[in-house]
Amino acid sequence: EIVLTQSPATLSLSPGERATLSCRASQSVANYLVWYQQKPGQAPRLLIYEASIRATGIPARFSGSGSGTDFTLTISSLEPEDFAVYYCQQRSNWPTFGGGTKVEIK
Amino acid sequence: QVQLVESGGDLVKPGGSLKLSCAASGFDFSDFYMIWIRQAPGKGLEWVSYISGSSTDTDYADSVKARFTISRDNAKNSLYLQMNSLRAEDTALYYCARGDYYDGNWAGFWGQGTLVTVSS
Repeated sequence: EIVLTQSPATLSLSPGERATLSCRASQSVANYLVWYQQKPGQAPRLLIYEASIRATGIPARFSGSGSGTDFTLTISSLEPEDFAVYYCQQRSNWPTFGGGTKVEIK
Repeated sequence: QVQLVESGGDLVKPGGSLKLSCAASGFDFSDFYMIWIRQAPGKGLEWVSYISGSSTDTDYADSVKARFTISRDNAKNSLYLQMNSLRAEDTALYYCARGDYYDGNWAGFWGQGTLVTVSS
């Protein structure tokens, strides 16, 4: 099983600040890395697939990068609706998720 | 628009069985892989199972293999998950999700989930 480790567990930032979230895989997943956003009481929403491609309707302030074992989700300028939990997921082997990063209001 | 509505969640005793359903609309159901993903209360996400549009390709997490069976009825635009020999660790919110035409290892759309509680 491919283990994904997300860091930090919690990110405390203010609206307008830049958020940088990390996801590290225990072995190479090439670019088969997906990012989701989950708000309290809601289902996850697809943000990014194939490491860097924004899903339909996702604002340009969200960007993904990386390949192999190290990946980053960047939110260039946090909006109030961006405070949520973010999960990475690999689809190179049987799908697995990271433990999530909570982006909270500072 | 894409809609996925799960049902069938309930409180069940350990060793019991339950069948979840997911009603899909807003897309050509038979063209897409469909997926079950679960989230234990306050915990992370776990991929449970997926099935191809023609039902010829299915797979399961090791944690549920031989206990859970995924199926679909394209005429009814419905996805199912038959869960047998349930354990306390199966307690979770079960999401139905849509994959894509080629595989079921990423989820473009999710339902709101149905809660399964396994407890005596």
